[in-house]
Amino acid sequence: EDQVTQSPEALRLQEGESSSLNCSYTVSGLRGLFWYRQDPGKGPEFLFTLYSAGEEKEKERLKATLTKKESFLHITAPKPEDSATYLCAVGSGNTGKLIFGQGTTLQVKP
Amino acid sequence: DAGVTQSPTHLIKTRGQHVTLRCSPISGHKSVSWYQQVLGQGPQFIFQYYEKEERGRGNFPDRFSARQFPNYSSELNVNALLLGDSALYLCASSQSPGGNTEAFFGQGTRLTVV
Repeated sequence: EDQVTQSPEALRLQEGESSSLNCSYTVSGLRGLFWYRQDPGKGPEFLFTLYSAGEEKEKERLKATLTKKESFLHITAPKPEDSATYLCAVGSGNTGKLIFGQGTTLQVKP
Repeated sequence: DAGVTQSPTHLIKTRGQHVTLRCSPISGHKSVSWYQQVLGQGPQFIFQYYEKEERGRGNFPDRFSARQFPNYSSELNVNALLLGDSALYLCASSQSPGGNTEAFFGQGTRLTVV
């Protein structure tokens, strides 16, 4: 069964304290791995797509990497505005069905 | 360019009632998917439509149905509402239906069943 697990569930950082979020996945035939940011009460905001092991993508303070079993979202020198829930999802097969993890809620304190 | 728009933003219904949620995809996107997100969890896939045809269905009861119109907008219908149907309902649009295609989400409809 396809499955996505994110860790930790919650993470508290001081402003400027770098860290990483983990997304472990089990899927038959990975077509894409997606990272989203979600603010409270809003829809997920697309961040990155990764397609194959070894691929990396960067955007401002965020960097996403992919291996055959997991993906990491590295946050460098975070700011309070980076506080949000970060969701990881995988796509497989020929439908657009995304399988999401439960998310990591990040709080960055000034 | 307008993103994915959903209506209404909030809705309160009574158990046993019926509800219709609406979604307009990004211009040029032909695929629409629906997700249910319960507080504290990741979104769960309900349906995907592409070119007005159902392409995928998640593990939800038959009380849930959807359709896509010629202009690619979509409706999600839920009959005989239960308290457990209270959730944030998300619509996502993408250019094509495959699992390698980026999906863009609307702001969601918050449904509360009392």
